[in-house]
Amino acid sequence: DTEVTQTPKHLVMGMTNKKSLKCEQHMGHRAMYWYKQKAKKPPELMFVYSYEKLSINESVPSRFSPECPNSSLLNLHLHALQPEDSALYLCASSQAASGGVRDTQYFGPGTRLTVL
Amino acid sequence: AQSVTQPDIHITVSEGASLELRCNYSYGATPYLFWYVQSPGQGLQLLLKYFSGDTLVQGIKGFEAEFKRSQSSFNLRKPSVHWSDAAEYFCAVVPPNAGKSTFGDGTTLTVKP
Repeated sequence: DTEVTQTPKHLVMGMTNKKSLKCEQHMGHRAMYWYKQKAKKPPELMFVYSYEKLSINESVPSRFSPECPNSSLLNLHLHALQPEDSALYLCASSQAASGGVRDTQYFGPGTRLTVL
Repeated sequence: AQSVTQPDIHITVSEGASLELRCNYSYGATPYLFWYVQSPGQGLQLLLKYFSGDTLVQGIKGFEAEFKRSQSSFNLRKPSVHWSDAAEYFCAVVPPNAGKSTFGDGTTLTVKP
């Protein structure tokens, strides 16, 4: 099973709302990632969790707050977003995040976020 | 500076024709190399990867890629394209000991009937 699931598939929120994106994997992977992808652009790395600890934060604004409750789950809490934050948010997981052979990432289908 | 380049923004091929998508990287050491495909509104699907060993790697959906160290390239090929191959293709690299991927800007593939 190489599946990463993400919920919801679509989300529309106002700039004052608080919402969360959820990602789940049951492959026993110990690294999980959040990416943001704008149309016709490559994914941009936001956060990396390794063994449930935040290991990389790519200078993401604090209105995005990641959380890794356990090794299978990854959340992204959203608050006071801007219209320019509208994008496809992708979650991925890998066995490790150490720059080695176990870094092969498997992606979820994404959450299409629209901020009004 | 370290970088990944996909020189072709958009490629159009006829169904049944062969395909080659280019990827070049610039790193001090040979990174780990990946090709992903993304259909509109979907996540990224791993096509194939290269870590070491045989420089010609086979992937899913009939794709293959060849690593050429002398040219710092990892080009993706398919001998006969199907209409369902129309999608965005991303090359990605993970430098040794880096822990995160760098993606190329992508190549959009259009398949003509």
